[in-house]
Amino acid sequence: DQQVKQNSPSLSVQEGRISILNCDYTNSMFDYFLWYKKYPAEGPTFLISISSIKDKNEDGRFTVFLNKSAKHLSLHIVPSQPGDSAVYFCAASASGTGNQFYFGTGTSLTVIP
Amino acid sequence: ETGVTQSPTHLIKTRGQQVTLRCSSQSGHNTVSWYQQALGQGPQFIFQYYREEENGRGNFPPRFSGLQFPNYSSELNVNALELDDSALYLCASSLSAAQASYEQYFGPGTRLTVT
Repeated sequence: DQQVKQNSPSLSVQEGRISILNCDYTNSMFDYFLWYKKYPAEGPTFLISISSIKDKNEDGRFTVFLNKSAKHLSLHIVPSQPGDSAVYFCAASASGTGNQFYFGTGTSLTVIP
Repeated sequence: ETGVTQSPTHLIKTRGQQVTLRCSSQSGHNTVSWYQQALGQGPQFIFQYYREEENGRGNFPPRFSGLQFPNYSSELNVNALELDDSALYLCASSLSAAQASYEQYFGPGTRLTVT
């Protein structure tokens, strides 16, 4: 049972434009969410997080939005750069589960110069 | 400050054999989690170790076992390998499970192929 879903396997965006990556979850107990970026032959790299007490968290060009009622989060990258081309995973965790994270299947972002 | 390292990088084993994968945590991190990432899938949580004790386990059979050592490095052992065990195995360290520091730092992974 996939508790975290990323329904878009791939996304292509022109350099300078906005990239929006989406993630849905089914478990209402999830209260902490992270986005990871993964380049080939490397492990995932932590990008940005958000807890359920917030609906937005911003870090430079990266902003994560959380809609708890819809069980949906999104990652916005503005402006997109060719170096952002990678696979992006969202992950979710529930308090008291010992940092057990559930990952989505990933979205491959290609930023076209 | 050194990052998370894993060994070996690649490994080929035969069905029924046993394998041990190793992970060194990032300096100062006392919590290690192991994940299995099958082709085209996201990482799936196997288990976590905090201060040498198992601190949570995902939906994996008992033939997946682990250890954490006093220096917080860790091993993942898989017995009676099956073809479906072929995957990238990722290790991630974090500052402290007790403090709910959720930021995990991943190693590059070990690619296991079972034939």
